[in-house]
Amino acid sequence: DIQMTQSPSSLSASVGDRVTITCRARQTISTYLNWYHQKPGRAPELLIYATSSLRGGVPSRFRGSGSGTDFTLTISSLQPEDFGIYYCQQSYSSPRTFGQGTRVEIK
Amino acid sequence: QVYLVESGGGLVKPGGSLRLSCAASGFLFSDSSMAWIRQAPGKGLEWLSSIPTDGTISYADSVKGRFTISRDNAKNSLFLQMHSLRAEDTGFYYCATDITVAGYTAFHNWGQGTLVTVSS
Repeated sequence: DIQMTQSPSSLSASVGDRVTITCRARQTISTYLNWYHQKPGRAPELLIYATSSLRGGVPSRFRGSGSGTDFTLTISSLQPEDFGIYYCQQSYSSPRTFGQGTRVEIK
Repeated sequence: QVYLVESGGGLVKPGGSLRLSCAASGFLFSDSSMAWIRQAPGKGLEWLSSIPTDGTISYADSVKGRFTISRDNAKNSLFLQMHSLRAEDTGFYYCATDITVAGYTAFHNWGQGTLVTVSS
C-alpha cells in the first residue's frame, strides 16, 4: 500500500492568509493525486483531481501542484468557509489511500 | 444535480451482518463506477471497495472476504453486504461516484453517509 503523509496535522490562520498544505507519498505516484475538503458533520467533497485540476465550482483560490512524491495544496487567500479538514488521496494504485488529514482553523 | 443517499446503518453485535444501500439520482448510474469509503469516528478516510460498470470488483484487504459490493442498475442502487462485523468496522460509510477523467480517477460525488456501530 502507498502511504500518504500530510503536514502539518493542523494549522490556524487568519482570513486572507495564504495557506499551504503538503502531501508526501512513500513512492512515486506521478500526478495521480486528489484533494478533498471535509467540514464537521459533512461528507468530504472533491476539490482537486489529477494534482492540479479544479473540480467544477471550486474557487480559483485553491491550487494544487507537484509530481512524483511531493504535492502541495495552496489556498491563496483563506476564507471563513475554508475551515475543516483537507485530505490528499492517491489514485496511482490500489488500494487508493488517503493522507491522515490537515485540520484548518480560522483565527 | 447528483444525489447519493445511503441507508441501512445501525447498531449490530460483533459477528453480525448488515446491508447498506445507496440510492443514486441525477446522473447515469449504469455508466458510472461506484465506491464505498468509510470513516471511523474522529478518524481519516479509508477506501473499501469499488465496482465498475463492468470488469473487476476490488476490495481493501481489511474487508476482503467479509464485505460484498453489488449494484442494481435498474434501481439505480449500490449495496454493501457486510458479514462478520468487528468493532473496528464502526464508522460512517459513504458511497461515492468513482469517476475517471482523462485517465485520472477520483471520488467526485459523495453521499451524506450512514453510521454503522458494531458493539455488544
